[in-house]
Amino acid sequence: DTGVSQDPRHKITKRGQNVTFRCDPISEHNRLYWYRQTLGQGPEFLTYFQNEAQLEKSRLLSDRFSAERPKGSFSTLEIQRTEQGDSAMYLCASSSPYTDTQYFGPGTRLTVL
Amino acid sequence: GNSVTQMEGPVTLSEEAFLTINCTYTATGYPSLFWYVQYPGEGLQLLLKATKADDKGSNKGFEATYRKETTSFHLEKGSVQVSDSAVYFCALSALGGAGGTSYGKLTFGQGTILTVHP
Repeated sequence: DTGVSQDPRHKITKRGQNVTFRCDPISEHNRLYWYRQTLGQGPEFLTYFQNEAQLEKSRLLSDRFSAERPKGSFSTLEIQRTEQGDSAMYLCASSSPYTDTQYFGPGTRLTVL
Repeated sequence: GNSVTQMEGPVTLSEEAFLTINCTYTATGYPSLFWYVQYPGEGLQLLLKATKADDKGSNKGFEATYRKETTSFHLEKGSVQVSDSAVYFCALSALGGAGGTSYGKLTFGQGTILTVHP
C-alpha cells in the first residue's frame, strides 16, 4: 500500500491553457474524491466517483472542469482555458466501501500566470 | 447545508502547554466528525475521528469528543510539543455515522494554524 499519489506535484501554466492532473488511489479503494484548497482555506469538495461512475459534482465544478475515472482505477481532472482564479492546490482522496475515512494524496499545486 | 466553523488562528503556544481548538458544526442527520492535520510541506493526514454522539476519538495524545447537544468536536491535547506545529482542520462527512457506513464528501473548516515554541 503506497498511499494515494498525484501527478504532477506542481504545474505552472499560462492563462487560457488546458491542464490535466492524475490521481492514483489506494488500490482497493472504490471511492475517489477531488477537492480544491486555496491559501488559508480548508479543502472544498469538487467531485466524487464510486468505481467509474461520477455520482456527485459541486457547483464549484464549472463547465471548464471535467473529471474521469475510466475502469474505476486512476482518475484525471482536466481544466480547460485556465483562469488565474483556478490557481489552487488540487487534492485527491480515496476510501474503501467499509469506512468513512478518506486518505489524501499530496496534492497538485496549480499556478496560472 | 452542512458547515464547519473553527476557532480563528493562528494559535501560538509554548511547549507543554494545553491546547484547545474549537470546532462547531451544522449538519443534517448524523455526520461523522474528523480532525485532519497538515504538517509543513505534507498532505492532509487523518488525526482522529468519531462516528456517533459521545464517542471520543484519540490519537498521538490528541482527543476530541462528539457532542451532539452542542454540535461541537473540540480538539484537545494536554501537553503540546514543537512537532505538533501544523495546520489542523475539523471536518464532517455528509452521510453516515451512528454505526452506519459513511461515504460522503467531507466539509472542512477553514483550518487553524498551530505554532509551538520550545
